[in-house]
Formats: sequence, C-alpha cells, structure tokens
Amino acid sequence: EAGVAQSPRYKIIEKRQSVAFWCNPISGHATLYWYQQILGQGPKLLIQFQNNGVVDDSQLPKDRFSAERLKGVDSTLKIQPAKLEDSAVYLCASRRLRDAETQYFGPGTRLLVL
Amino acid sequence: GENVEQHPSTLSVQEGDSAVIKCTYSDSASNYFPWYKQELGKGPQLIIDIRSNVGEKKDQRIAVTLNKTAKHFSLHITETQPEDSAVYFCAASRGSGGSNYKLTFGKGTLLTVNP
Repeated sequence: EAGVAQSPRYKIIEKRQSVAFWCNPISGHATLYWYQQILGQGPKLLIQFQNNGVVDDSQLPKDRFSAERLKGVDSTLKIQPAKLEDSAVYLCASRRLRDAETQYFGPGTRLLVL
Repeated sequence: GENVEQHPSTLSVQEGDSAVIKCTYSDSASNYFPWYKQELGKGPQLIIDIRSNVGEKKDQRIAVTLNKTAKHFSLHITETQPEDSAVYFCAASRGSGGSNYKLTFGKGTLLTVNP
C-alpha cells in the first residue's frame, strides 16, 4: 500500500509570509497527525484529527497556525504569518483507527524561514 | 503531561558491536512505547514497539526491554551494520484503543556504525 504523501518537500519563505503544507494519509486511516520537528529534536505533536474532527490541538499556536481535514482524508497545515522560529520539518502521520497504536510517517516538508 | 528523556544523544560503535539506547518516561499511565528510526531526509519509521503488559520483545537483531516500575525502556541492537546508522527516537503514549495515542518523543540518538 502507498505510504503517507506530503508536499512540497522543501519550502523557503521570508518571515511574515504565509505557507501551506499538504498531506495525504494512507488509505483507510482515520487518524491524522501533524508534527513539528525542530533540528536536533524529536517530533512534537501540533494537531490530531479523527476523520474530519479535531481530537487534540492543545500544542498548536493558533494565532498563526491552522489546519483542516475537510473531507476526512487529506489535510492542509497553514502558517500565517511565519516567524523565524517556525523553521523546522513538518511531519504528517496517520493511523488506522482499529489497528492499535502504530503511526506511519510521511517524508516531511522542510521549511526554512528567512 | 508526559516527558521522555533519551540517552545518549550520540553513539558511535564499530560494525558488529552492540548498541544500547535508553529512555525514561514520567507518566505512569503510559502503556505504549515505540522506537523509530529516521534516516537523513526521511520521516521516522517504526522499527519495534512494546506495550506495558510485556517486559521484552525481540525482532531479529533488535530488542526492546521495559521496566514499568522504574519507568524506563531500552533499545538493543546487536551485530550492528553500517546501514543501522541513523537517528533513533523513543516515544511514549497512553490510550485505550480509541482515538488518543498521542506520542511524546525523546530528543533522539544519532547512531554511527563505523565499518
């Protein structure tokens, strides 16, 4: 089966600009996660969706970050306006609802804010 | 919330030697502990996991042990090969089979296997 797809793979923007990332989870996976991975650190959860509903967005900086999963399949994460400290890799992961705990990660989008 | 500490941050071994990475967690309710391998430019890939009702699990050259009382778990890689070189992350979560399973990751260990 195809893995988690993400695009773009790389993005360079200037601070105060906006940017959007796209994720298509593994087919049939009801749960979708967005993580932020700063260089030299482990991934940190930003938001978790169950189908098209938000389960946990407690660590999402809502003044600048937003995410949606309108049809319960693919998802978009947006940053507006971007700050220098948003430079990181943004990882998308998905999990089958009943298939226990395993999360499958996509390749990530590497964002550099200048 | 959960806090996961991982040591060492870097580990260099000779090919054929064993490597051990250790993690501790703070939330006694955590019951699922996966290990991920991340190669340069790629997303994390699950290599092995363990649940709190099991003390040890092995898959070929990789094994994980869990000590619930001490709240620590370890990854053991035997007969290391150059292709084992990567960053390894431990993680912890709790959930009841529903929609939770929020993973908290350690900071990672850069493993280098020298030929």
